[in-house]
Order: sequence, then C-alpha cells, then structure tokens
Amino acid sequence: EAGVAQSPRYKIIEKRQSVAFWCNPISGHATLYWYQQILGQGPKLLIQFQNNGVVDDSQLPKDRFSAERLKGVDSTLKIQPAKLEDSAVYLCASSLRIAGGKYEQYFGPGTRLTVT
Amino acid sequence: AQSVAQPEDQVNVAEGNPLTVKCTYSVSGNPYLFWYVQYPNRGLQFLLKYITGDNLVKGSYGFEAEFNKSQTSFHLKKPSALVSDSALYFCAVRDGEDSNYQLIWGAGTKLIIKP
Repeated sequence: EAGVAQSPRYKIIEKRQSVAFWCNPISGHATLYWYQQILGQGPKLLIQFQNNGVVDDSQLPKDRFSAERLKGVDSTLKIQPAKLEDSAVYLCASSLRIAGGKYEQYFGPGTRLTVT
Repeated sequence: AQSVAQPEDQVNVAEGNPLTVKCTYSVSGNPYLFWYVQYPNRGLQFLLKYITGDNLVKGSYGFEAEFNKSQTSFHLKKPSALVSDSALYFCAVRDGEDSNYQLIWGAGTKLIIKP
C-alpha cells in the first residue's frame, strides 16, 4: 500500500514570495490534515478536511495561508506572501475517517520550507 | 481544556536496558491516546494507540504502552532498547467525547540510545 506522498521535499524562497505544497493521501482515506512543525516542537494542526469539506481550520492564518481539496483526494496548501516565521516542516497526514476519532493518522515525509 | 505533557525533553538509555518515555494527559471525557515516532528528516510514524480495553497496548518495533486512568498517564516502554530506537517520540490525545476530535500533541521527547 502506497503511503502519503508530498512534494516538494524541500523549498527555499524569499520572504513575500508565494509557495505551494502538494499532498496525495493514502487511497481510501477520507480525512486529510495539514500540520506545521517548527523545529523542536510538536505538530500544529493547520487544517483538517473530511472528503472535500473543511472540518477545522481554526489555526490556519487565513490572511496568508489557503488550502483546498477539490475532488476529495489530493490537496494543496499555499502560502502567499511568506514570512520568515513560516520556516518549518509542513506535514500532510491522512486517516480512514474522522468519526469517533479512533483512527490513527499516517504521515507523509513532509516539506521543509526555508524563508530567507 | 485538553492537554498532554511529556515532562522529559530528552531520555538517555544504554543499549539493552529498558526504556520509558513518559506522557500524561488531561481530557474531559474518555481519552484516545496515541504514540508516534519521528526519525531524522522523516515524517511521523504511528506506533500504537489506546482506545478501550486492555490497559497494556502493544505496538510496532517491540514498543508497548500502559494506560493508567488514575494517574492519567500513558507511558511508552520497551524491555530492551536498540540504538535504532533513537528518535523523537510524540504522545497525542483526543477527547473521545469531543465532536471536534482534534488531536492534541505533546512537545516530544528525544530518545537517545547509547551503544
């Protein structure tokens, strides 16, 4: 079974530029998550999708971050414009579904973003 | 409010010795508890979970964890540590009665196994 795929693996941009990350979850997983992980810290949930609907985006900085999952499969996360403090690893995860909260999440390898 | 604490930033263990990585939690309802491991430059990997049933849960790579309701703890254990177990370990909790089902993550514990 293929895992969660993410691209690119690394990205270096200057502040005020834009960047986009792509995620392909495990086949059949209805729930998709985007996390931000700053070095030395635990993951911080940015947004959670159930199929193509947003379940929770309370911690997404909506003035600069956006995410979509149009067909309920792949997802993209965009930052525009980037700030220095956005330097982090962006992790995508998926799980079978959200109902009951019993299902573990499977993570992709992450995208390491450096904003200079 | 829901929370999870990993009181040790780093744990050092000699190879072959038993290891314990501590986790305590606070939720209003029934806790769903998870352990994940993160190797350098890799995403997180699921190790094990407690939802209900036996308090001792067995997971991947020989790890196990014990759910203790009275102490609100879910410590990760392994009888004999390997150098390859060196990694960053995260405990996470979800309130099973919270319809939002957001997972609350600990700050992580760095486990170093010395040969």
